[in-house]
Amino acid sequence: GAGVSQSPRYKVAKRGQDVALRCDPISGHVSLFWYQQALGQGPEFLTYFQNEAQLDKSGLPSDRFFAERPEGSVSTLKIQRTQQEDSAVYLCASSLAGNTEAFFGQGTRLTVV
Amino acid sequence: GENVEQHPSTLSVQEGDSAVIKCTYSDSASNYFPWYKQELGKGPQLIIDIRSNVGEKKDQRIAVTLNKTAKHFSLHITETQPEDSAVYFCAAKGTGGSYIPTFGRGTSLIVHP
Repeated sequence: GAGVSQSPRYKVAKRGQDVALRCDPISGHVSLFWYQQALGQGPEFLTYFQNEAQLDKSGLPSDRFFAERPEGSVSTLKIQRTQQEDSAVYLCASSLAGNTEAFFGQGTRLTVV
Repeated sequence: GENVEQHPSTLSVQEGDSAVIKCTYSDSASNYFPWYKQELGKGPQLIIDIRSNVGEKKDQRIAVTLNKTAKHFSLHITETQPEDSAVYFCAAKGTGGSYIPTFGRGTSLIVHP
């Protein structure tokens, strides 16, 4: 497709369950970002990839959060032992290079019950 | 790191009126300022952006102004229409180590018909 694709669109997890969220960036985009958006808030940075290299993970809230992009294209954000405070929309964005516009996917809404 | 403040948090206007949303940023090295529109259940969509080498940019009914000295930038929407109702986010992005867009907290714009 032409845009950033995220799956699943919605995920309900029981507290303590592990989840994996997928992002398919725009083909050829070098940069990939993950953001967390709580209800009524702006997107908060989680982590950044340039190709397969994770250059910045300073926004990951705990060691339960892990992201990878092994072949420099599709990325997966994994959350282990989910907690209620992890409930949010997880947004993925990609851009052609480091200083060009970022295009967002529709997000994955995670609800931890 | 970069800090972006956005005001107002909510803005209610009558159809046909103008709407102005203001943002300030803290990192003088930031040189790229995109604006995003987010509709319910969707990811943010880029609507206009401005780089630090220009002071104003216009695209039909929307315009953005940038004052680098004061470190603030604004979004102007003229002749508002009900379909402009959404949450708008400003962001700031730098070069070098600051390649990550930092977002404001958002403005909920409501255009009454």
